[in-house]
Amino acid sequence: DIQMTQSPSSLSASVGDRVTITCRASQSISSSVNWYQQNPGTAPKLLIYAASTLQSGVPSRFSGSGSGTDFTLTISSLQPEDVATYFCQQSYSILPPTFGGGTKVEIK
Amino acid sequence: QVQLQESGPGLVKPSETLSLTCTVSGGSVSSANYYWNWIRQPPGKGLEWIGYIHSRGRTSYNPSLKSRVTISVDTSKNQFSLKVSSLSAADTAVYYCARIPPNTYGSLPFDSWGQGTLVTVSS
Repeated sequence: DIQMTQSPSSLSASVGDRVTITCRASQSISSSVNWYQQNPGTAPKLLIYAASTLQSGVPSRFSGSGSGTDFTLTISSLQPEDVATYFCQQSYSILPPTFGGGTKVEIK
Repeated sequence: QVQLQESGPGLVKPSETLSLTCTVSGGSVSSANYYWNWIRQPPGKGLEWIGYIHSRGRTSYNPSLKSRVTISVDTSKNQFSLKVSSLSAADTAVYYCARIPPNTYGSLPFDSWGQGTLVTVSS
């Protein structure tokens, strides 16, 4: 299986801060990375697919970048409603697709 | 806007078989080139893909679960289902159904999810 290592596992930032979450793949996976936001007790919500394409309806403060093994999710200006856990997911190998361990984002 | 809704028992005994159903509304399980998936999340832990059934009927399963999992579709009810056999406490998790749409630059994202259903394996 392709392993997705996410960092940090948690972070605390102030409203308006720029927040960056990183995901590293255990092998090159082109641009086959998707990012999700999960609030407690709810299903994950797709934010970014194909490394950098914003899903319809997602605020433009969210962006994604990277290719190969290193990928980044950026929140340009953290808002209170962005408090959640974020997961990356690779689909380069569909057998199986795998997720990162998650990054919990809190407001300082 | 497609909606997915899981249904099934919340408590199952060890060694028994879990059966869950995902009902799709606002879309069709027969729509071309969609993948219909099951994913689970143990309490407080990360996400694990279980498997999918393609709109053309082809299935694929996580190798770690393949011997115990079956996914099927009922087009007349616009539903797809999951069976997991030989349950143990390690199968306790929130089970989600989710959709992969076509035309996503090959990235196969899960763009629509059910709300999830907690399944506890305990005697």
